[in-house]
Amino acid sequence: AQSVTQLDSQVPVFEEAPVELRCNYSSSVSVYLFWYVQYPNQGLQLLLKYLSGSTLVKGINGFEAEFNKSQTSFHLRKPSVHISDTAEYFCAVSDVGGFKTIFGAGTRLFVKA
Amino acid sequence: DGGITQSPKYLFRKEGQNVTLSCEQNLNHDAMYWYRQDPGQGLRLIYYSQIVNDFQKGDIAEGYSVSREKKESFPLTVTSAQKNPTAFYLCASSISAREDYNEQFFGPGTRLTVL
Repeated sequence: AQSVTQLDSQVPVFEEAPVELRCNYSSSVSVYLFWYVQYPNQGLQLLLKYLSGSTLVKGINGFEAEFNKSQTSFHLRKPSVHISDTAEYFCAVSDVGGFKTIFGAGTRLFVKA
Repeated sequence: DGGITQSPKYLFRKEGQNVTLSCEQNLNHDAMYWYRQDPGQGLRLIYYSQIVNDFQKGDIAEGYSVSREKKESFPLTVTSAQKNPTAFYLCASSISAREDYNEQFFGPGTRLTVL
């Protein structure tokens, strides 16, 4: 069965510092991987996705993620965060050819001035 | 503009009452989903529908019901059988169950509070 583990429930960081939000998944088949962002009292917005090809994926707002098949990880990174990046971030996995998407519990990123 | 709308944004219900949450999309997507979000638990799938007039239970369907009479609409009813309905409810859609991948587009959510 699929599962997604986001290793940090909260990540506080100072403005302009780099950040990494960690995500590990388990699946017995090939997968597609996603990162979504949620601002308070709003729906989720897609940041980036890995479908195939290059393992380094670039997304919106300066975020990128790297797919590591051997470590079953898909960590999200940004070299310099802004106050406006404060939000909750969700990692998600979907089996290739499957239908359902499994979401992690979320990581709350808090950017401090 | 294409997108997903959910209404109302905030909803209050007395214990023992059924309540229906609206979800409409104009993206021409075949598939639609309902999730429940609780603090620290991420998103949990309630129901999903791959095509009109067809839907399947997700991981936490007990106490909920849905219908899919039209492609663009997927209302969720929270019944009195749902023991702890206070939560944030998110509706989503994706292009097609036949696609290779399943990027989902989300509505703004409905926050339900049981008084």
